[in-house]
Amino acid sequence: AQSVTQPDIHITVSEGASLELRCNYSYGATPYLFWYVQSPGQGLQLLLKYFSGDTLVQGIKGFEAEFKRSQSSFNLRKPSVHWSDAAEYFCAVALNYGGSQGNLIFGKGTKLSVKP
Amino acid sequence: EAQVTQNPRYLITVTGKKLTVTCSQNMNHEYMSWYRQDPGLGLRQIYYSMNVEVTDKGDVPEGYKVSRKEKRNFPLILESPSPNQTSLYFCASSLWERTDTQYFGPGTRLTVL
Repeated sequence: AQSVTQPDIHITVSEGASLELRCNYSYGATPYLFWYVQSPGQGLQLLLKYFSGDTLVQGIKGFEAEFKRSQSSFNLRKPSVHWSDAAEYFCAVALNYGGSQGNLIFGKGTKLSVKP
Repeated sequence: EAQVTQNPRYLITVTGKKLTVTCSQNMNHEYMSWYRQDPGLGLRQIYYSMNVEVTDKGDVPEGYKVSRKEKRNFPLILESPSPNQTSLYFCASSLWERTDTQYFGPGTRLTVL
């Protein structure tokens, strides 16, 4: 079935440690790919997006993501986590074929906790 | 200030009592959409609108209605709310379409008793 999967429901990292959040998709062709962040009690904010070209994309707040076609993945990374990064992170896809011209499909999210 | 506003922010209601959640954006955006967020399920799109008078179903449209009579407003209507519509609702807008940066409202927490 077509889906966006974030395998990790909850991740805890120490402040200053590196971070990688996983996202996999299963669609017939490469969709447009996004990462959004939701801080507690807030709406969502776009971190970065990938449409084509360079497979390593830079976003805001020091985040980056790498698209790997062979693995159908779009993992989010940050080299050194700050306490303010504690939030929930959502991977999202927009299909670029067929009749799904208006949909934006979100994964179930990964909650990030940061230890001092 | 560029923003998406939603009202009310919190609402407790009873089964069957019609309600409307308003959404307004001041950025002259064409694309607007509604999502519901439930624990363990992430965000699921309810309806979206590519521009005025054009709306289409998302993944979970059952039990909801929308209208887009003006560019800035995109209200979500629950004609006969049921307890399974208890959720956190977000409105979002973007300049042209779904691949543009989505700007989210602050959310509306709805409880249906």
